[in-house]
Amino acid sequence: GAVVSQHPSWVICKSGTSVKIECRSLDFQATTMFWYRQFPKQSLMLMATSNEGSKATYEQGVEKDKFLINHASLTLSTLTVTSAHPEDSSFYICSAVALQGAEDTQYFGPGTRLTVL
Amino acid sequence: QKEVEQDPGPLSVPEGAIVSLNCTYSNSAFQYFMWYRQYSRKGPELLMYTYSSGNKEDGRFTAQVDKSSKYISLFIRDSQPSDSATYLCAMSVTNAGKSTFGDGTTLTVKP
Repeated sequence: GAVVSQHPSWVICKSGTSVKIECRSLDFQATTMFWYRQFPKQSLMLMATSNEGSKATYEQGVEKDKFLINHASLTLSTLTVTSAHPEDSSFYICSAVALQGAEDTQYFGPGTRLTVL
Repeated sequence: QKEVEQDPGPLSVPEGAIVSLNCTYSNSAFQYFMWYRQYSRKGPELLMYTYSSGNKEDGRFTAQVDKSSKYISLFIRDSQPSDSATYLCAMSVTNAGKSTFGDGTTLTVKP
């Protein structure tokens, strides 16, 4: 199946710093990527929909100025957590949509674990 | 009330057992139904994908969707220790659109 990578796989940062997470579709082009957040023992919560060449669409309650999303190419979307705080510590997972006709499929990345001290 | 409710776990079964995992939902607009498997500290892996009502089988896995009852299930036959993971149901209105996930059921298959 299609492969989606994320970088870094884990990151530890100090409170107040910004962290950038990359999501890449390695063997297909993705006009749409999604960013999810998962807290321990909880499910994935959609944060935003990232469309190549346009502004991201954020879910209710997600601060767009805090979680900056850039989808500059058909294979790369980035999520920047600005002025991170301990409550932002979470597992961030992206997914990319592979267009396959009637069976467009969403492929998930391996996730990035963010710890804010 | 959550849009998607998943039977809480954890679930522990002996090797070879048949496992049933279930979700209910409230949004009648959902048309696409997925089951994902997630190992600890990893991203979700798509197991089964079903459009609208009906059954779909893939090896030891069978997915069932009953839109009239707003109920979906995943059955695992001849469960193996390697099946031990958290299983997430997910649903979307459009094909590969933004998904709403259940909270997950953690399954342990004991040798």
